[in-house]
Amino acid sequence: DTAVSQTPKYLVTQMGNDKSIKCEQNLGHDTMYWYKQDSKKFLKIMFSYNNKELIINETVPNRFSPKSPDKAHLNLHINSLELGDSAVYFCASSQGAGGRETQYFGPGTRLLVL
Amino acid sequence: DQQVKQNSPSLSVQEGRISILNCDYTNSMFDYFLWYKKYPAEGPTFLISISSIKDKNEDGRFTVFLNKSAKHLSLHIVPSQPGDSAVYFCAPRKDSGGSNYKLTFGKGTLLTVNP
Repeated sequence: DTAVSQTPKYLVTQMGNDKSIKCEQNLGHDTMYWYKQDSKKFLKIMFSYNNKELIINETVPNRFSPKSPDKAHLNLHINSLELGDSAVYFCASSQGAGGRETQYFGPGTRLLVL
Repeated sequence: DQQVKQNSPSLSVQEGRISILNCDYTNSMFDYFLWYKKYPAEGPTFLISISSIKDKNEDGRFTVFLNKSAKHLSLHIVPSQPGDSAVYFCAPRKDSGGSNYKLTFGKGTLLTVNP
């Protein structure tokens, strides 16, 4: 059973389109995250939700909107896709947002904007 | 502004020898340091961590050393095995407010262990 799963694994789309990436965790965790790994290989946090509440919101264009329908799901919707949005997007979860909680990552969604 | 630097993009080691992966950081607010390992087409997985109050933490073949004054940490793997071949990320943590902790990842070092 996959602990943190993401769909789709690959996403190729045209500039200007709107797309969503879904994330689900079956670990019973109450904190979920979205990270972006860009072409320079840096893995940077974008958002974090704890019990469906937004707790970390880094400097991300407002074209990116996370949505957490429940504790087990954190989806990422991207409007008006741009070339620079091409990256690998990783979802992660942890039991709690503080302390020394280990984050468990999904396999990533490879987004290519043409 | 790179707060976490892993200056060696790649490292190649013979099986059975020691692998040493280095990480330097600039932010003195980091108080907990984690190493993650990543295989191709998979997400990172937690490997080992160390608190800022310690200078060494060991877990089997993996040992992490922390030199706070130099803002430097290193991950030692001994003996190295071919299955250790992966990208290793250094990820220090700091309190981003209200007990919400944020990890800051380095660019990673690709370790290749040759049989």
